[in-house]
Amino acid sequence: AQSVAQPEDQVNVAEGNPLTVKCTYSVSGNPYLFWYVQYPNRGLQFLLKYITGDNLVKGSYGFEAEFNKSQTSFHLKKPSALVSDSALYFCAVRENSGYALNFGKGTSLLVTP
Amino acid sequence: NAGVTQTPKFQVLKTGQSMTLQCAQDMNHNSMYWYRQDPGMGLRLIYYSASEGTTDKGEVPNGYNVSRLNKREFSLRLESAAPSQTSVYFCASSEARLAANTGELFFGEGSRLTVL
Repeated sequence: AQSVAQPEDQVNVAEGNPLTVKCTYSVSGNPYLFWYVQYPNRGLQFLLKYITGDNLVKGSYGFEAEFNKSQTSFHLKKPSALVSDSALYFCAVRENSGYALNFGKGTSLLVTP
Repeated sequence: NAGVTQTPKFQVLKTGQSMTLQCAQDMNHNSMYWYRQDPGMGLRLIYYSASEGTTDKGEVPNGYNVSRLNKREFSLRLESAAPSQTSVYFCASSEARLAANTGELFFGEGSRLTVL
């Protein structure tokens, strides 16, 4: 079975500081990993994905994520947070033999001025 | 480009009533999905359709039925609504027919359902 865990319900960071939102995964075989962002009263929007290749993946809005196979992690990062980054962030995984994504419970990111 | 369109955006039902959530995508995607979002539980897959003419159960299918009417449309029906089905429902689509594709999902804006 495939699953992801987001250990933090909320992450608080000051504007201009680096941010990290954590995600660990469990799959059999090679994972397809994703990050999505949800703004209030909106649907989820795709940020970035890891399929294969470089462990550091760059995505939208200056976000990046690092795939670490030995630690089964796929943490989302940004060098300098903006207030407008405040949102709900979801990590998701799919096995390469499956169809649908399994999502984590989400992490609320609050960036304060 | 409308992307993924869901109707209605809001609905209040009484226990035992039935209703259908409609979803349509204009991206010529093969796969479509219905998720529900509940506080503290993230998104859980209800049903999906890997291609036109096929549907499969997800993690939480009980109490729901789906129809893949054509390539564009994928509806979710609650035959006898229960308070436990109070949730925000999201439809999504993906170009992927098989998992060999990247499987990026495009989401609708959501349908907020309250069952009294």
